[in-house]
Amino acid sequence: AQSVAQPEDQVNVAEGNPLTVKCTYSVSGNPYLFWYVQYPNRGLQFLLKYITGDNLVKGSYGFEAEFNKSQTSFHLKKPSALVSDSALYFCAVSEDTGRRALTFGSGTRLQVQP
Amino acid sequence: DGGITQSPKYLFRKEGQNVTLSCEQNLNHDAMYWYRQDPGQGLRLIYYSQIVNDFQKGDIAEGYSVSREKKESFPLTVTSAQKNPTAFYLCASTPLGGAKNIQYFGAGTRLSVL
Repeated sequence: AQSVAQPEDQVNVAEGNPLTVKCTYSVSGNPYLFWYVQYPNRGLQFLLKYITGDNLVKGSYGFEAEFNKSQTSFHLKKPSALVSDSALYFCAVSEDTGRRALTFGSGTRLQVQP
Repeated sequence: DGGITQSPKYLFRKEGQNVTLSCEQNLNHDAMYWYRQDPGQGLRLIYYSQIVNDFQKGDIAEGYSVSREKKESFPLTVTSAQKNPTAFYLCASTPLGGAKNIQYFGAGTRLSVL
């Protein structure tokens, strides 16, 4: 069975500072990894995904994520945080076997202070 | 939120009542999904459908039912058997139903019990 862990309920960072939102995963085969963002009372928006290839994935709004197979991690990063980045972030995993549906982490709330 | 429309935005259920949440997509996607979101628990999969006239149970299907009579539509019924229906419900779709594909989300329906 696949699973995702986001160990931090909330991350606080000052505007202009780098940010990291952590994610670790567990799958039986090769993972497909995703990050989504959710603003209040809205659906989820896709940020980036890792399927194969380069371990550093670049996505929307200046976000990037690093796939680390040995640590089974896929941390989300941004070099310089903006107040408008404040939102709820979800990591998700799927694999090409079984039901092929996403399994989501519990979410991390990012708060960027001016 | 792309071409996925969820309605209504807010819904109230009385004791013993069945209610139906609508999800329509104009993206010509094959696969559609229903998730339930509770605070601190991320998204949990209720039902999914890879093709018309076929659907599978997710992790928390008890108390819910779905149909997939048209490619564009995947309505979710919350039955009276679901004893704790208060949550935010999200519908998503993806092309071809592959595990590598991005899921696109609707804006959600917030269900409360009167």
